[in-house]
Amino acid sequence: AQSVAQPEDQVNVAEGNPLTVKCTYSVSGNPYLFWYVQYPNRGLQFLLKYITGDNLVKGSYGFEAEFNKSQTSFHLKKPSALVSDSALYFCAVSYGGATNKLIFGTGTLLAVQP
Amino acid sequence: DAGVTQSPTHLIKTRGQQVTLRCSPKSGHDTVSWYQQALGQGPQFIFQYYEEEERQRGNFPDRFSGHQFPNYSSELNVNALLLGDSALYLCASSLAVELAVDNEQFFGPGTRLTVL
Repeated sequence: AQSVAQPEDQVNVAEGNPLTVKCTYSVSGNPYLFWYVQYPNRGLQFLLKYITGDNLVKGSYGFEAEFNKSQTSFHLKKPSALVSDSALYFCAVSYGGATNKLIFGTGTLLAVQP
Repeated sequence: DAGVTQSPTHLIKTRGQQVTLRCSPKSGHDTVSWYQQALGQGPQFIFQYYEEEERQRGNFPDRFSGHQFPNYSSELNVNALLLGDSALYLCASSLAVELAVDNEQFFGPGTRLTVL
C-alpha cells in the first residue's frame, strides 16, 4: 500500500538555525513527492515538488528538499529558519501522475523560537 | 487571477442532516479533487472529478457524493451526517494534462464542517 510517514509530530528550532522536517514514503513505481504548508485556519499552500531530474529541489520561501531513492526519503530543509516559518508541514506522494490523488502524511508542526 | 475558492467557510449541522459544499477551481483548471482533513490528521482523498465524471475515489462511503458542472466547479454532498464527519473539507484543482511540468494541485481555504 502507498503511504507517507512523517516521524516527528513536532520540530523545534531556534530562529536562524537550519531546519529539517523528515518524510519517508512507500510507493510502487516512480513517486511524485510534494511538500505543503498549512497555517492556522487556512488551506494548504504548495512549497515544492519532485517529479524527476535533480534530486535537490528548490521551492518557495527558501525551502528545499532532497529526494533520496535508496532511503525512500524526501526531507524538507531550510538553511536559516524564521519565526514566520512556524506552521504545520505536510509531505505527500502521488503515484501515476502529479494530478492523481495525493496521499498525505500526518503532518509535522514546526515551531521556530525567536 | 482568483485561486481556488470554497463556500461556505463554516457550517454547523446536526446528525442525520445533509450538507452541500461548493468549490470553484483556479482559472484554467479542469480537474477538482476533494479531501477530508480531520482534526490533527493529514488530508484524506475523497474523490476526483474530471469532465463531469468521478474518476478516482478514496475509501469513503457512498454517503459522500459529488458533482462537477460544465464550468468545472464542483459540489461535495454528504448525506446522513455522522459526528465523525466533522472536519475541514478541502478542494484542490489541477489540470488533467499530465505533461505540464508545472502541474500540481492547488488547494482552497477549506470549509469547516461541524456535526452536532
